[in-house]
Amino acid sequence: QSALTQPPSASGSPGQSVTISCTGTSSDVGGYNSVSWYQQHPGKAPKLMIYEVTKRPSGVPDRFSGSKSGNTASLTVSGLQAEDEAAYYCNSYTASDSWVFGGGTKLTVL
Amino acid sequence: EVQLVESGGGLVQPGGSLRLSCDASGFTFGPTWMHWVRQAPGKGLVWVSHIKGGGRRTSYADSVKGRFTISRDDAKNTLYLQMNSLKAEDTAVYYCATDGAYALHGWGQGILVTVSS
Repeated sequence: QSALTQPPSASGSPGQSVTISCTGTSSDVGGYNSVSWYQQHPGKAPKLMIYEVTKRPSGVPDRFSGSKSGNTASLTVSGLQAEDEAAYYCNSYTASDSWVFGGGTKLTVL
Repeated sequence: EVQLVESGGGLVQPGGSLRLSCDASGFTFGPTWMHWVRQAPGKGLVWVSHIKGGGRRTSYADSVKGRFTISRDDAKNTLYLQMNSLKAEDTAVYYCATDGAYALHGWGQGILVTVSS
């Protein structure tokens, strides 16, 4: 149950796009279309942003999108806004009938 | 609207036990899969445990296997996490969450567990 690998930080200016990667193995990210992404502001509970690799729950802006290639999933935030500054975590279901998070990426809006 | 409220946290000595509860409302609890996730101070999210609807199948992170037990009382719409043999590294905010399509959709506000002498 090793954590998925995310870059510790990412940044972009308002209006720009930024992509956060999440690398796992064929036993988790690469083996299932059960990758999800969460946004967490300081002191708050996480919020689901993307599930099943590409799907957005109702209420999540379409500026947030997800994709996957092989063992790596990605979250893209387009048209960056100040309120997007937060920590982002990926998560995947695994072959061990368990779930695993990434280490998290702190997104800074410059 | 999904509402999840955790309770039962607090300060406990190493080696001690604690039972967390998560009261659920706003959705049909019985068939809903549920999770526990924790976050140590200043650290990232860590998945802890999962229980399927009906409670017949559970799974655990290696770090808590054999020490923690997840359960549910569908009549009370309540999820539990029994934590035994607690260690300092179990200190964290613990969240309960609902599952949908293998993702964690609804989250509680979290409850702090501190393991210290």
